[in-house]
Amino acid sequence: NAGVMQNPRHLVRRRGQEARLRCSPMKGHSHVYWYRQLPEEGLKFMVYLQKENIIDESGMPKERFSAEFPKEGPSILRIQQVVRGDSAAYFCASSAQGGDEQYFGPGTRLTVT
Amino acid sequence: QQPVQSPQAVILREGEDAVINCSSSKALYSVHWYRQKHGEAPVFLMILLKGGEQKGHEKISASFNEKKQQSSLYLTASQLSYSGTYFCGTLAGGTSYGKLTFGQGTILTVHP
Repeated sequence: NAGVMQNPRHLVRRRGQEARLRCSPMKGHSHVYWYRQLPEEGLKFMVYLQKENIIDESGMPKERFSAEFPKEGPSILRIQQVVRGDSAAYFCASSAQGGDEQYFGPGTRLTVT
Repeated sequence: QQPVQSPQAVILREGEDAVINCSSSKALYSVHWYRQKHGEAPVFLMILLKGGEQKGHEKISASFNEKKQQSSLYLTASQLSYSGTYFCGTLAGGTSYGKLTFGQGTILTVHP
């Protein structure tokens, strides 16, 4: 039973470029969450999505960040015009229902140079 | 507001026990516990729901005091593999059923 998959695992972008992070939830899960973790810090909620719907984006910066979870295909977290402060580990998690335990993917480590 | 974990760090020898606490100022729907090793993803350990239901790994035990909005994770007969950072994540009433708010973490180190 495949777990949550994320790609790429490592991503290097120059300032001003775009970063696209992908997440495929665990089989049977339709709820997806994105979290950001800065080095030596805890996990910060960004956004909660179900298929084709954003349920809660209260943790998402207002500018440059967007997320989607289309009917077909993985969930995408998109960061436009990246800055050095965007360097972090971005984790995706999924659950069968909202409020259930969340299972995390391996993360994408974004480095902005 | 993020939950507060205590202690911030614990050092144990194999076989010793530890308790990690998580306290929130908000009314909670559930508390989730995770362990994260350096450079890896958080691993689910336990979920405790308002009303008493809980599920998780057999070797892990935890409690949830709904009146005090506090949870404790009990690690008994610790093994080297228990080393890592432990996070509690809380789901509070009045927010969506997906927004986990994590504590700052407790670093557990187990020595032989």
